[in-house]
Amino acid sequence: DIQMTQSPSSLSASVGDRVTITCRASQSININLNWYQQKPGKAPRLLIYGASNLQSGVPSRFSGSGSGTDFTLTISSLQPEDFATYYCQQSYHSLVYNFGQGTKLEIK
Amino acid sequence: QITLEASGPTLVKPTQTLTLTCSFSGFSLSASGVGVGWIRQPPGEALEWLAHIYWNNDKYYSSSLKSRHTISKDTSKNQVVLTMTNMDPVDTATYYCAHLSAAARYSFDYWGQGALVTVSS
Repeated sequence: DIQMTQSPSSLSASVGDRVTITCRASQSININLNWYQQKPGKAPRLLIYGASNLQSGVPSRFSGSGSGTDFTLTISSLQPEDFATYYCQQSYHSLVYNFGQGTKLEIK
Repeated sequence: QITLEASGPTLVKPTQTLTLTCSFSGFSLSASGVGVGWIRQPPGEALEWLAHIYWNNDKYYSSSLKSRHTISKDTSKNQVVLTMTNMDPVDTATYYCAHLSAAARYSFDYWGQGALVTVSS
């Protein structure tokens, strides 16, 4: 199985900060990497698909990059509504569509 | 507008079988490139992909559940059903269904609100 590892597992930051979350796959997944945001008590929301494509309606301060095994999600200027948990997920192998363990972004 | 809603029992006993239904609108599961998946999340824990099914009836399952689960679709009713046998308290979780499409590189681009299932005697 392809394993997805996110880092850090938690992060404290302030409004206006630039934040980067990384996701590493245990083998190459080309650009088949997606990012989700989840707030407490809510369903996840797709932010980025195909490593760098911004989902419709998602603010442009969110961006994604990477290919192969190493990927990043960047928030250019944190807003109060961005404090949430973020998950990466690979969609390269239909046999296993697994998620990373999550990164909790908290207010400093 | 794509919407999905997961429904099923809120409480099941250990060893029982869970049947969850995902009812959706705004798309057809007979359209090429479309799928529906199930993902769960135990309280305070991470998301766990369980299974998904495509328009052509191809099905994929997480190996971690050791063949306890089955996914099926009823295209005429716009529903996808997930059954899980031999339920255990560790299966207590919120169960989500979500839409997959080739247009979004098979990411889960629309999600239902989730159904909380508690396994307890």
